[in-house]
Amino acid sequence: AQKVTQAQTEISVVEKEDVTLDCVYETRDTTYYLFWYKQPPSGELVFLIRRNSFDEQNEISGRYSWNFQKSTSSFNFTITASQVVDSAVYFCALSSGANSKLTFGKGITLSVRP
Amino acid sequence: NAGVTQTPKFRILKIGQSMTLQCTQDMNHNYMYWYRQDPGMGLKLIYYSVGAGITDKGEVPNGYNVSRSTTEDFPLRLELAAPSQTSVYFCASRRTGSLNYKSQPQHFGDGTRLSIL
Repeated sequence: AQKVTQAQTEISVVEKEDVTLDCVYETRDTTYYLFWYKQPPSGELVFLIRRNSFDEQNEISGRYSWNFQKSTSSFNFTITASQVVDSAVYFCALSSGANSKLTFGKGITLSVRP
Repeated sequence: NAGVTQTPKFRILKIGQSMTLQCTQDMNHNYMYWYRQDPGMGLKLIYYSVGAGITDKGEVPNGYNVSRSTTEDFPLRLELAAPSQTSVYFCASRRTGSLNYKSQPQHFGDGTRLSIL
C-alpha cells in the first residue's frame, strides 16, 4: 500500500521568509513518481513538479526548489523569499503501478503574511 | 485550451436525489480519474478509467457510478445522495502513449462543489 505523510498541517510565515514543506512517502514499488500540486484559494489544482524514483537530482525553479532523498523517503519543497501569492494548500502525491493512481497527502496550508 | 472541464461548478442536492457530474477533456488522454476532497484531507480516488469502455474502482467508490463511452467524457453519477457525499469533486486526466507515460502529471479540472442537505 502507498502512503504519503505531510506532517505539517498549517504554516504561517512573514513575506520574504524561506519555508520548507515536508513530504514523506511509503511504497513497496521500486519505480514510482512523486508530485507536488498547489491549490490556491480559488480552488484549482496546479501541477508544480514531478520526480522519478530513479532520478535523485534536486531541482530549482525560480524561488522553488525540491529535495528528493530516497534514503529517507522524503521529497521536500522549499520556497525561498516567500510572497503573499504563495499562500495556498500544497499537496504532495505519489504514483506507482500500471494505472498510476495518485495517492495524496493531506496537504499543508501555507499562509504568507505581508 | 480547454483542458479538463467540469460542470456544474456548484450544486445543492437534497438527500435521496441523484445527479451526474460531468467531466470532459480535449487532450485525447486515455486515463481519467474522479477524486473527492473533504476539508483538511487530501484527494481520495473514487473511480478511474484507462480508456473508453474500461472503468475501475478507486479507494472510495461506494455510492457512485461511472461510465466511459468516449475518450473525452467521464461522467460521475451519484445515486441516492447522502450528506456524507458533500465534498468537492475533481476530475483529472493523464497522457499516455509515450515511453515515460507513467511519469506524466494528471491535469485537473476546476472542481465541482457539491452540498447535500
